[in-house]
Amino acid sequence: QKEVEQNSGPLSVPEGAIASLNCTYSDRGSQSFFWYRQYSGKSPELIMSIYSNGDKEDGRFTAQLNKASQYVSLLIRDSQPSDSATYLCAMPRGFGNEKLTFGTGTRLTIIP
Amino acid sequence: DAGITQSPRHKVTETGTPVTLRCHQTENHRYMYWYRQDPGHGLRLIHYSYGVKDTDKGEVSDGYSVSRSKTEDFLLTLESATSSQTSVYFCASSYSPRTDTQYFGPGTRLTVL
Repeated sequence: QKEVEQNSGPLSVPEGAIASLNCTYSDRGSQSFFWYRQYSGKSPELIMSIYSNGDKEDGRFTAQLNKASQYVSLLIRDSQPSDSATYLCAMPRGFGNEKLTFGTGTRLTIIP
Repeated sequence: DAGITQSPRHKVTETGTPVTLRCHQTENHRYMYWYRQDPGHGLRLIHYSYGVKDTDKGEVSDGYSVSRSKTEDFLLTLESATSSQTSVYFCASSYSPRTDTQYFGPGTRLTVL
């Protein structure tokens, strides 16, 4: 089993709707997670980090972490065409959490 | 945005030739990373560095070596390039991985013929 798994998509969502992206992980000891957004041909950029169980909101984005079920999700409210990108979840690993393990990413398309 | 540059941005080379990719950061970050990104595999860590002259292997390190002689520079070398090393290579840096994001460079597209 991969350490971090994502549905590769593509996921198509109408403009204005809620996009829901999910990620499952195998390491029960994981304490934090990151969501990166990557536009086609560009480099990844961090959009959300979450360090504790529950929800974390930042503007139109909400990250949800459920440690008991070992999944983390990203909700995008009022989806815009500019949200069309690949979304990568990442989990720290290593002795000092100095490395990240990335999922393969979910490609999201917002349909105008 | 963190000041991370990569050079070259594009390179085409032939099987068996050596190739060196350069990553330069101006943020005085201690940690630097080299990833490759391939369809269906996502981002995979090749090597990383936790200080000058301090490096360690990632999950796909075979065929690659790295060097870091200065805080700002992290070099990735393919001693003898193979077609399986055709990929997009990203460099990243971080001040403190426990609490800080990794900032990515613009990437290098490498094609090995």
